[in-house]
Amino acid sequence: SAVISQKPSRDICQRGTSLTIQCQVDSQVTMMFWYRQQPGQSLTLIATANQGSEATYESGFVIDKFPISRPNLTFSTLTVSNMSPEDSSIYLCSVVLLKGASTDTQYFGPGTRLTVL
Amino acid sequence: DQQVKQNSPSLSVQEGRISILNCDYTNSMFDYFLWYKKYPAEGPTFLISISSIKDKNEDGRFTVFLNKSAKHLSLHIVPSQPGDSAVYFCAAAYNQGGKLIFGQGTELSVKP
Repeated sequence: SAVISQKPSRDICQRGTSLTIQCQVDSQVTMMFWYRQQPGQSLTLIATANQGSEATYESGFVIDKFPISRPNLTFSTLTVSNMSPEDSSIYLCSVVLLKGASTDTQYFGPGTRLTVL
Repeated sequence: DQQVKQNSPSLSVQEGRISILNCDYTNSMFDYFLWYKKYPAEGPTFLISISSIKDKNEDGRFTVFLNKSAKHLSLHIVPSQPGDSAVYFCAAAYNQGGKLIFGQGTELSVKP
């Protein structure tokens, strides 16, 4: 597999502010995704991070609220903008490896636990 | 509309016995299914997957069964160990490496 790191691991933020979450992988990947897990809920896909172009968002998620960047094959950021308490969740990035034993399985980072007051 | 469902929120099993976790799906276009294990404060860890062209895949203590006609899959853990205690998510995809649709999760507790 690969080593996937996320920064920050957790944060407590005030409503109306924004937070940028970073995802770094130690090997090249083909696909990168961002998911959200709200308290007591399952994981929901926010968007697919596309290298060098705009992310592809799922229904219910918009670029103005969750801008995403992916400048290269191993790094992506997700920004949670103008936060409200409803944005309190765990945010996870996942990747599909370019090379290795399994090039079609998604591997997840450790997550970023966000609390909005 | 929940396309992937895990109807049992929790399961308790004695150590050494078999754990069976179930998952149902509604979309026959799903082509690939996966199981993940998640501990608190960690990201999901990939366990095992199965393509829609197969009906069984085995990896050590973990076996996944797929019944396409019933749109049902299950994860068998034999023998169960206390370290297996975690939340288990099934997920489905339209293609390998594509976006995942997750079930709600089943919390497994394996008692010594």
